[in-house]
Amino acid sequence: GQNIDQPTEMTATEGAIVQINCTYQTSGFNGLFWYQQHAGEAPTFLSYNVLDGLEEKGRFSSFLSRSKGYSYLLLKELQMKDSASYLCAVKAGANNLFFGTGTRLTVIP
Amino acid sequence: GAVVSQHPSRVICKSGTSVKIECRSLDFQATTMFWYRQFPKKSLMLMATSNEGSKATYEQGVEKDKFLINHASLTLSTLTVTSAHPEDSSFYICSAKGRDRQGENYGYTFGSGTRLTVV
Repeated sequence: GQNIDQPTEMTATEGAIVQINCTYQTSGFNGLFWYQQHAGEAPTFLSYNVLDGLEEKGRFSSFLSRSKGYSYLLLKELQMKDSASYLCAVKAGANNLFFGTGTRLTVIP
Repeated sequence: GAVVSQHPSRVICKSGTSVKIECRSLDFQATTMFWYRQFPKKSLMLMATSNEGSKATYEQGVEKDKFLINHASLTLSTLTVTSAHPEDSSFYICSAKGRDRQGENYGYTFGSGTRLTVV
């Protein structure tokens, strides 16, 4: 089975940095995704890690440690529009993607 | 880029009726389609996975007779909620994985979601 955990809610200040953690226990691990989802909309792709280390893409970075079953998404220079849910998703086997509980981030002025 | 068109975006139906949700892949072939369900303020829950031309594989606890999935072509998959009840009210999202005409693989592309309300 799959077990993917994230904090339920986080609050951060505009302009600051926030780190959203994700821990997982899964069989057949084949990569980890981070998605952003605004209320009532479909998720949009942010990052994909399959090897250990840090992937940087503009204001967003994602880190993976396969041995620890751990990933984080780092958001820098927070903007109000970054208020959204952030979903950690683990790819198990060839195709299936399983989502964590999601972290609702609120950015305050 | 890859686009998945999902319709309808919103539907309200009476209890006991059936509702069909369509997902079409534009400009690429969706060899695999995933159907998710999302309750308010919760994450996506995988309901089933379907490969073109074969029967869908349902996750544990998902009733296959209630949630009928058809993936008859490489560009279209449908989810039919049969005999809908108020507890079926939810946000349903499809996600396609496939390849374009040049054989390039696409990652997971999500539809825009369907908000179903059963009254």
